[in-house]
Amino acid sequence: GEDVEQSLFLSVREGDSSVINCTYTDSSSTYLYWYKQEPGAGLQLLTYIFSNMDMKQDQRLTVLLNKKDKHLSLRIADTQTGDSAIYFCAEITDLSGNTGKLIFGQGTTLQVKP
Amino acid sequence: DAGVTQSPTHLIKTRGQQVTLRCSPKSGHDTVSWYQQALGQGPQFIFQYYEEEERQRGNFPDRFSGHQFPNYSSELNVNALLLGDSALYLCASSLSREYQETQYFGPGTRLLVL
Repeated sequence: GEDVEQSLFLSVREGDSSVINCTYTDSSSTYLYWYKQEPGAGLQLLTYIFSNMDMKQDQRLTVLLNKKDKHLSLRIADTQTGDSAIYFCAEITDLSGNTGKLIFGQGTTLQVKP
Repeated sequence: DAGVTQSPTHLIKTRGQQVTLRCSPKSGHDTVSWYQQALGQGPQFIFQYYEEEERQRGNFPDRFSGHQFPNYSSELNVNALLLGDSALYLCASSLSREYQETQYFGPGTRLLVL
């Protein structure tokens, strides 16, 4: 089946690292994504990782994937107040049929305290 | 490079009415997907359009219909509106030739049904 789960809330101090976790159930997931949503706005693509990778780093963002445990995490280094937002994990399953259907978690609200 | 645009930004309707939402994809993209995001939830896939045809559909009733035009823009129509249709409607565009079909989202249309 298709299901993506995330913890609902995370609070950190400015300058600390944030780690947002996500678990998924579909073993045929090919790509996993992280999106950011600020209040009243659409979704901004942050990064993605292919399922045959363990890690991807992009500036302050590090994505770790444990395919055996179906666990994905997003680490934000040196978290800033501007990082306060809702973060969504999403998976896309087998693309052989070119379905392109994203399955989202319920989102993690990141609160960054000055 | 214009991103994904949606109109209108906000809309208020009453139960039983019909609504049409519009989306213009990112320049160069040929595929449009629609998602519904209820308050406090992650986006849910409604359907996807490619080559002016519905390619895949999520678990939404037939009251939800769509269309894609030759210029790749798209419309989402919802008939016989229910209170539960109140949500943020997000459009995402992607390029079919790109294997992972990364989806880029517009700002959304916030629909309130009274």
